[in-house]
Amino acid sequence: AQSVAQPEDQVNVAEGNPLTVKCTYSVSGNPYLFWYVQYPNRGLQFLLKYITGDNLVKGSYGFEAEFNKSQTSFHLKKPSALVSDSALYFCAVRDIKTGGSYIPTFGRGTSLIVHP
Amino acid sequence: DTGVSQDPRHKITKRGQNVTFRCDPISEHNRLYWYRQTLGQGPEFLTYFQNEAQLEKSRLLSDRFSAERPKGSFSTLEIQRTEQGDSAMYLCASNQLEGANYGYTFGSGTRLTVV
Repeated sequence: AQSVAQPEDQVNVAEGNPLTVKCTYSVSGNPYLFWYVQYPNRGLQFLLKYITGDNLVKGSYGFEAEFNKSQTSFHLKKPSALVSDSALYFCAVRDIKTGGSYIPTFGRGTSLIVHP
Repeated sequence: DTGVSQDPRHKITKRGQNVTFRCDPISEHNRLYWYRQTLGQGPEFLTYFQNEAQLEKSRLLSDRFSAERPKGSFSTLEIQRTEQGDSAMYLCASNQLEGANYGYTFGSGTRLTVV
């Protein structure tokens, strides 16, 4: 079985400060990991993914995420937050071992609020 | 290509009525997915198609729900005898088989309110 946890319902950060949105996962095999962002009344937008290779993944809008296998984490980071980054962020995982299904499991989401 | 389109954006219906939603994926994408999202939750998988074949259905997809993708292009999701618990955002997403590990492109969703 595969699962993902986003331990924080909300993250508050001041504009210009670094931000981190946390994600931990559980899979029986190896994970494919994704981050998506959702703005109000919109669908989800793909930010970045980890499939294999370098543990530090760079994505859209200056976001990056670090894959840590020993801690089963894939935290989303940005060096300097913008007010426009305020949105819902979803982490998703797919267990490679399940094979064929290609259906990831999404976390409950974390609301990021960037204060001016 | 304008991305994944969903219609309507909003639907208010009375309990017991049937509703149908449409999704037009990115034209070259052969995989199409339906998800449901309720307030405070992440998207929950409902079903997906590869071309016109429905390959997987979640246990969330009760017998009141049916989805089709008759020509391997657009898809419809029908809910019969709607219940208040069906109120949610219904999201459609697509990707290509070869890039299936590389994330989805989501539509803006159809928000269903059952009164």
